[in-house]
Amino acid sequence: DAGVIQSPRHEVTEMGQEVTLRCKPISGHDYLFWYRQTMMRGLELLIYFNNNVPIDDSGMPEDRFSAKMPNASFSTLKIQPSEPRDSAVYFCASSLGGGWQGTTEAFFGQGTRLTVV
Amino acid sequence: DQQVKQNSPSLSVQEGRISILNCDYTNSMFDYFLWYKKYPAEGPTFLISISSIKDKNEDGRFTVFLNKSAKHLSLHIVPSQPGDSAVYFCAASAYGNQFYFGTGTSLTVIP
Repeated sequence: DAGVIQSPRHEVTEMGQEVTLRCKPISGHDYLFWYRQTMMRGLELLIYFNNNVPIDDSGMPEDRFSAKMPNASFSTLKIQPSEPRDSAVYFCASSLGGGWQGTTEAFFGQGTRLTVV
Repeated sequence: DQQVKQNSPSLSVQEGRISILNCDYTNSMFDYFLWYKKYPAEGPTFLISISSIKDKNEDGRFTVFLNKSAKHLSLHIVPSQPGDSAVYFCAASAYGNQFYFGTGTSLTVIP
């Protein structure tokens, strides 16, 4: 398997524009996570899905952020409108199972570095 | 509120010596703990984990210790190598759902 694939790797956009980040999880994984990495907060969980259903989006900073998972092999994180303070590295991760099924580690993509100017 | 804390942003160690990275957590429901390693421009990669039913797990040069009463875990790297220089994240999970991460510790191993 190619691992978790994120696109684009880098994104530079102007303030006010819409930004869409994309993620393809590892095939067969039933959990998908979106994280944001900042110096102050480290890896901050934004939202996670189980079997394509959003379970907890309490980490999404504002209504400007939204995430979807239309099928088991694709997820998007959208920021509209974008602001300079959204500049960060955004990671997608996926994992298999949980709870009684046994816990496995989360596998991360290479991240998308977002710069909003 | 940060449920997983890494209070040392950076650590420098001589090659061959032991590196000890520390992590504290606040949620007593956490039952699974992980360490990740991250190189620049790459995603974090899984290093080692420990279940709450254990107090130690070893994998080669890497050992993780868990002290549930103190809500503290540590990662020991012996002997440290220059290739170990990276940012190390501690993470915790309750029932294998969400993974909560700390802010990371940047380790530099000096040749």
